[in-house]
Amino acid sequence: DAGITQSPRHKVTETGTPVTLRCHQTENHRYMYWYRQDPGHGLRLIHYSYGVKDTDKGEVSDGYSVSRSKTEDFLLTLESATSSQTSVYFCAISESVGQGLTEAFFGQGTRLTVV
Amino acid sequence: GDSVTQMEGPVTLSEEAFLTINCTYTATGYPSLFWYVQYPGEGLQLLLKATKADDKGSNKGFEATYRKETTSFHLEKGSVQVSDSAVYFCALSDPLNSGAGSYQLTFGKGTKLSVIP
Repeated sequence: DAGITQSPRHKVTETGTPVTLRCHQTENHRYMYWYRQDPGHGLRLIHYSYGVKDTDKGEVSDGYSVSRSKTEDFLLTLESATSSQTSVYFCAISESVGQGLTEAFFGQGTRLTVV
Repeated sequence: GDSVTQMEGPVTLSEEAFLTINCTYTATGYPSLFWYVQYPGEGLQLLLKATKADDKGSNKGFEATYRKETTSFHLEKGSVQVSDSAVYFCALSDPLNSGAGSYQLTFGKGTKLSVIP
């Protein structure tokens, strides 16, 4: 199995509080992604990183920020959590090869509930 | 932008039935195509992939052929088992829709498959 770990695995938090989710990899892959998974929407990209301190927005980035200060860690922060951010969050990693990507490896997910 | 459309679920089949899950895509360039599977309570894992036209990806009895002329990558299996019950995602990565090496994976919404004995 690819070395990718998400923490925490489950979290319940109150509306308006800040929350940080962590993704840690041991594969030295360049690309890291944060997705959220919701019924009827599949996987939607929140933010991604293509190198240390190189990040960009995905399709549902409002209310989220990210940081990547070293290759192995990619942090997702909800500055002020809202109930609409209740979801399952997945981190993924991949590497470029030629003109494309290798397969993406996914973490086990973090179930976040905002009450 | 790029997009992936896959058939709505859920799909319920009897054991040993034939499975097809349709997937079509739109892409700016010449994408690589993937099928991922998600078992209950787990993250996604790669099932198979294809990187150029007419390539056939296969794994665990599943197959999909990259059809550039119809922009499709349909997933098939000749005889499903109860253990195949999962959610299946079609995805693409398109290097021409990426800037400065910012490769992205675009996913379909997923198709839930239930196989009953």
